[in-house]
Amino acid sequence: GAGVSQSPRYKVAKRGQDVALRCDPISGHVSLFWYQQALGQGPEFLTYFQNEAQLDKSGLPSDRFFAERPEGSVSTLKIQRTQQEDSAVYLCASSPRGLAGTTDTQYFGPGTRLTVL
Amino acid sequence: AQSVTQLGSHVSVSEGALVLLRCNYSSSVPPYLFWYVQYPNQGLQLLLKYTSAATLVKGINGFEAEFKKSETSFHLTKPSAHMSDAAEYFCAVIRGGYQKVTFGTGTKLQVIP
Repeated sequence: GAGVSQSPRYKVAKRGQDVALRCDPISGHVSLFWYQQALGQGPEFLTYFQNEAQLDKSGLPSDRFFAERPEGSVSTLKIQRTQQEDSAVYLCASSPRGLAGTTDTQYFGPGTRLTVL
Repeated sequence: AQSVTQLGSHVSVSEGALVLLRCNYSSSVPPYLFWYVQYPNQGLQLLLKYTSAATLVKGINGFEAEFKKSETSFHLTKPSAHMSDAAEYFCAVIRGGYQKVTFGTGTKLQVIP
């Protein structure tokens, strides 16, 4: 059972490499969020999916960041040509409903810690 | 835009003492407010949320928070700290028309035996 799972838990990349981070939300959850948490900071919103539709990507820091959720379940966050400033913990969260569930609880995964050397 | 400010990045209390973590929000309309806890190397867990029902909200692990519109505050309290409460706590607010959450910068709680 399951909660939200993320893989890998830790990722070390050399500057310029591409990385892909995976999120498995709770089964049946409509909403999926990605957040970036820099060291010593609170999480910052990156992007939001309702099922397979990416409804908000206003938080993605650059066009090197790309997220998808093609079948409305598993999601992948891809970062191309990684930079040192991309080093952070990337958190995924899911919640039961879509836009109508404004105050639904978001369930967070453990995060992927990305270190770019 | 709605935001939250957490006063004090680090708070230390003795085991058994009152825990008080401060959060103020900026909003022109009553917001939805949340407190999350994050243990080391783990994701965030919801402690409690205010959704414009009762102003005193009770959460898990003995925590509660009171929404005070006149003070634009949503402080988190617990009467008696346990060692297991040592973690980082985030106040958060809904920004926008759906669940787009804005987090504060966090307060690390240390519990001294």
